[in-house]
Amino acid sequence: DGGITQSPKYLFRKEGQNVTLSCEQNLNHDAMYWYRQDPGQGLRLIYYSQIVNDFQKGDIAEGYSVSREKKESFPLTVTSAQKNPTAFYLCASSIDFTLKENSPLHFGNGTRLTVT
Amino acid sequence: GNSVTQMEGPVTLSEEAFLTINCTYTATGYPSLFWYVQYPGEGLQLLLKATKADDKGSNKGFEATYRKETTSFHLEKGSVQVSDSAVYFCALIGSGNTGKLIFGQGTTLQVKP
Repeated sequence: DGGITQSPKYLFRKEGQNVTLSCEQNLNHDAMYWYRQDPGQGLRLIYYSQIVNDFQKGDIAEGYSVSREKKESFPLTVTSAQKNPTAFYLCASSIDFTLKENSPLHFGNGTRLTVT
Repeated sequence: GNSVTQMEGPVTLSEEAFLTINCTYTATGYPSLFWYVQYPGEGLQLLLKATKADDKGSNKGFEATYRKETTSFHLEKGSVQVSDSAVYFCALIGSGNTGKLIFGQGTTLQVKP
Protein backbone atom coordinates (compact mmCIF):
# COMPACT_ATOMS: atom_id res chain seq x y z
CA ASP A 1 0.00 0.00 0.00
CA GLY A 2 1.23 3.48 -0.80
CA GLY A 3 1.57 6.01 1.96
CA ILE A 4 3.72 8.19 4.15
CA THR A 5 5.78 6.72 6.97
CA GLN A 6 7.01 8.82 9.84
CA SER A 7 9.34 7.39 12.42
CA PRO A 8 9.60 7.10 15.29
CA LYS A 9 6.11 7.72 16.68
CA TYR A 10 7.52 9.06 19.97
CA LEU A 11 10.90 10.73 20.42
CA PHE A 12 12.54 12.04 23.57
CA ARG A 13 15.61 14.28 23.65
CA LYS A 14 17.52 16.41 26.08
CA GLU A 15 17.65 20.14 25.60
CA GLY A 16 20.60 21.22 23.47
CA GLN A 17 20.63 18.13 21.27
CA ASN A 18 19.75 18.13 17.58
CA VAL A 19 17.26 15.48 16.51
CA THR A 20 16.18 14.28 13.06
CA LEU A 21 12.65 13.14 12.24
CA SER A 22 12.20 10.74 9.36
CA CYS A 23 9.58 11.02 6.61
CA GLU A 24 9.38 8.57 3.70
CA GLN A 25 6.72 8.33 0.99
CA ASN A 26 6.16 5.74 -1.75
CA LEU A 27 3.41 7.67 -3.51
CA ASN A 28 5.77 9.09 -6.13
CA HIS A 29 4.74 12.59 -5.05
CA ASP A 30 6.85 15.58 -6.06
CA ALA A 31 5.90 17.90 -3.20
CA MET A 32 6.53 17.27 0.50
CA TYR A 33 5.80 19.34 3.61
CA TRP A 34 6.52 19.54 7.32
CA TYR A 35 3.94 20.92 9.73
CA ARG A 36 4.04 21.49 13.45
CA GLN A 37 0.89 20.98 15.51
CA ASP A 38 0.39 22.56 18.93
CA PRO A 39 -2.79 22.42 21.01
CA GLY A 40 -5.24 25.16 20.03
CA GLN A 41 -3.03 26.48 17.22
CA GLY A 42 -3.80 24.25 14.29
CA LEU A 43 -1.02 23.34 11.88
CA ARG A 44 1.83 25.64 10.99
CA LEU A 45 4.08 25.11 7.98
CA ILE A 46 7.77 24.67 8.76
CA TYR A 47 9.35 23.78 5.39
CA TYR A 48 8.18 22.52 2.04
CA SER A 49 9.80 21.04 -1.03
CA GLN A 50 8.31 21.30 -4.50
CA ILE A 51 10.74 18.89 -6.07
CA VAL A 52 13.86 16.91 -5.24
CA ASN A 53 16.93 19.01 -4.34
CA ASP A 54 14.73 22.04 -3.67
CA PHE A 55 13.11 23.29 -0.47
CA GLN A 56 11.68 26.54 0.89
CA LYS A 57 11.04 28.00 4.31
CA GLY A 58 7.50 28.00 5.57
CA ASP A 59 6.00 30.25 8.24
CA ILE A 60 8.03 28.99 11.22
CA ALA A 61 11.36 27.73 9.82
CA GLU A 62 13.65 29.18 12.50
CA GLY A 63 15.48 26.44 14.41
CA TYR A 64 14.72 23.77 11.80
CA SER A 65 16.53 22.39 8.76
CA VAL A 66 15.59 19.94 6.00
CA SER A 67 17.07 18.14 3.02
CA ARG A 68 15.54 16.60 -0.10
CA GLU A 69 18.21 14.45 -1.69
CA LYS A 70 15.74 11.76 -2.78
CA LYS A 71 12.20 12.12 -4.05
CA GLU A 72 10.80 9.76 -1.44
CA SER A 73 12.57 11.23 1.62
CA PHE A 74 12.25 14.59 3.42
CA PRO A 75 13.91 14.45 6.86
CA LEU A 76 13.46 17.31 9.34
CA THR A 77 16.17 18.25 11.84
CA VAL A 78 15.11 20.10 14.97
CA THR A 79 18.17 21.99 16.10
CA SER A 80 19.12 23.29 19.52
CA ALA A 81 18.26 26.77 18.24
CA GLN A 82 14.55 25.94 18.25
CA LYS A 83 13.25 27.62 21.40
CA ASN A 84 10.21 25.44 22.01
CA PRO A 85 10.67 22.13 20.16
CA THR A 86 8.21 19.96 22.07
CA ALA A 87 5.31 19.38 19.65
CA PHE A 88 3.60 16.96 17.30
CA TYR A 89 5.25 16.99 13.86
CA LEU A 90 3.37 15.99 10.73
CA CYS A 91 4.84 15.23 7.33
CA ALA A 92 2.69 15.45 4.20
CA SER A 93 3.01 15.04 0.46
CA SER A 94 1.05 15.87 -2.68
CA ILE A 95 1.29 14.99 -6.35
CA ASP A 96 2.53 18.47 -7.07
CA PHE A 97 2.84 21.82 -5.41
CA THR A 98 -0.26 23.35 -6.94
CA LEU A 99 -2.58 21.25 -4.74
CA LYS A 100 -5.08 21.07 -7.56
CA GLU A 101 -8.46 19.48 -7.09
CA ASN A 102 -7.14 15.99 -7.61
CA SER A 103 -3.96 16.31 -5.58
CA PRO A 104 -4.86 16.83 -1.93
CA LEU A 105 -2.36 16.58 0.89
CA HIS A 106 -1.62 13.09 2.23
CA PHE A 107 -0.39 13.01 5.83
CA GLY A 108 1.76 10.64 7.82
CA ASN A 109 0.75 9.63 11.35
CA GLY A 110 3.12 12.07 12.99
CA THR A 111 6.02 12.06 15.45
CA ARG A 112 5.53 13.38 18.95
CA LEU A 113 8.78 15.01 20.08
CA THR A 114 9.41 15.78 23.75
CA VAL A 115 12.46 17.79 24.74
CA THR A 116 13.33 18.09 28.43
CA GLY B 1 -3.46 37.76 4.36
CA ASN B 2 -5.45 34.54 4.18
CA SER B 3 -6.81 33.11 7.41
CA VAL B 4 -9.31 30.58 8.74
CA THR B 5 -11.29 30.81 11.97
CA GLN B 6 -13.13 27.88 13.51
CA MET B 7 -15.47 27.68 16.46
CA GLU B 8 -13.73 26.78 19.66
CA GLY B 9 -14.14 23.33 21.09
CA PRO B 10 -14.54 20.90 22.48
CA VAL B 11 -17.95 20.17 21.07
CA THR B 12 -19.67 17.42 23.04
CA LEU B 13 -22.73 15.69 21.59
CA SER B 14 -24.79 12.62 22.23
CA GLU B 15 -24.93 9.92 19.56
CA GLU B 16 -27.40 10.71 16.73
CA ALA B 17 -27.36 14.45 17.47
CA PHE B 18 -27.00 17.05 14.72
CA LEU B 19 -23.52 18.51 14.27
CA THR B 20 -22.45 21.94 13.09
CA ILE B 21 -18.86 23.17 13.25
CA ASN B 22 -18.54 26.76 12.10
CA CYS B 23 -15.73 27.90 9.82
CA THR B 24 -15.22 31.36 8.35
CA TYR B 25 -12.37 32.55 6.22
CA THR B 26 -10.58 35.65 4.97
CA ALA B 27 -9.04 35.50 1.53
CA THR B 28 -8.72 37.50 -1.64
CA GLY B 29 -10.11 36.09 -4.83
CA TYR B 30 -11.65 32.64 -4.91
CA PRO B 31 -9.97 30.19 -2.54
CA SER B 32 -10.55 26.44 -2.45
CA LEU B 33 -11.90 25.19 0.88
CA PHE B 34 -11.31 21.92 2.70
CA TRP B 35 -12.26 19.99 5.82
CA TYR B 36 -9.69 17.57 7.23
CA VAL B 37 -10.25 15.11 10.10
CA GLN B 38 -7.68 13.84 12.58
CA TYR B 39 -8.48 10.71 14.59
CA PRO B 40 -6.58 10.16 17.85
CA GLY B 41 -2.90 9.43 17.34
CA GLU B 42 -3.06 9.81 13.58
CA GLY B 43 -2.32 12.31 10.85
CA LEU B 44 -4.96 14.28 8.98
CA GLN B 45 -7.25 12.88 6.30
CA LEU B 46 -9.13 14.89 3.70
CA LEU B 47 -12.85 14.73 4.54
CA LEU B 48 -14.36 16.93 1.85
CA LYS B 49 -13.63 19.94 -0.33
CA ALA B 50 -15.24 22.66 -2.44
CA THR B 51 -13.46 24.67 -5.06
CA LYS B 52 -15.96 27.35 -6.06
CA ALA B 53 -18.82 29.35 -4.60
CA ASP B 54 -22.06 27.44 -3.90
CA ASP B 55 -20.30 24.07 -4.29
CA LYS B 56 -21.28 21.48 -1.69
CA GLY B 57 -18.66 19.00 -0.57
CA SER B 58 -19.87 15.75 0.99
CA ASN B 59 -18.39 12.52 2.35
CA LYS B 60 -19.35 9.92 4.99
CA GLY B 61 -22.55 11.83 5.83
CA PHE B 62 -20.71 15.13 6.36
CA GLU B 63 -21.53 18.16 4.22
CA ALA B 64 -20.25 21.71 3.82
CA THR B 65 -21.34 24.45 1.41
CA TYR B 66 -19.00 27.14 0.10
CA ARG B 67 -20.78 30.43 0.88
CA LYS B 68 -18.91 33.35 -0.62
CA GLU B 69 -21.44 35.94 0.58
CA THR B 70 -20.82 34.99 4.21
CA THR B 71 -17.22 33.72 3.68
CA SER B 72 -18.18 30.50 5.43
CA PHE B 73 -17.75 26.75 5.02
CA HIS B 74 -19.61 25.23 7.97
CA LEU B 75 -19.39 21.46 8.51
CA GLU B 76 -22.64 19.59 9.21
CA LYS B 77 -23.76 16.03 9.85
CA GLY B 78 -27.31 14.96 10.52
CA SER B 79 -26.59 12.15 12.98
CA VAL B 80 -23.19 11.75 14.60
CA GLN B 81 -21.70 8.48 15.82
CA VAL B 82 -19.16 7.75 18.55
CA SER B 83 -16.69 6.92 15.77
CA ASP B 84 -16.90 10.54 14.55
CA SER B 85 -15.02 11.69 17.66
CA ALA B 86 -11.95 13.45 16.28
CA VAL B 87 -10.42 16.86 15.63
CA TYR B 88 -11.76 18.67 12.57
CA PHE B 89 -9.73 21.25 10.67
CA CYS B 90 -11.03 23.77 8.18
CA ALA B 91 -8.46 24.89 5.62
CA LEU B 92 -8.09 26.99 2.50
CA ILE B 93 -5.72 27.46 -0.34
CA GLY B 94 -5.78 30.88 -1.93
CA SER B 95 -6.45 31.33 -5.60
CA GLY B 96 -3.05 32.93 -6.10
CA ASN B 97 -1.03 31.05 -3.49
CA THR B 98 -0.49 27.51 -4.62
CA GLY B 99 0.99 24.85 -2.43
CA LYS B 100 0.31 26.37 0.97
CA LEU B 101 -2.75 25.26 2.85
CA ILE B 102 -3.86 27.61 5.63
CA PHE B 103 -5.44 25.72 8.54
CA GLY B 104 -7.83 26.78 11.24
CA GLN B 105 -7.01 25.92 14.83
CA GLY B 106 -9.09 22.74 14.85
CA THR B 107 -12.28 21.81 16.69
CA THR B 108 -12.43 18.73 18.89
CA LEU B 109 -15.65 16.72 18.66
CA GLN B 110 -16.56 14.26 21.40
CA VAL B 111 -19.57 12.03 20.80
CA LYS B 112 -20.95 10.14 23.79
CA PRO B 113 -23.03 6.96 23.53
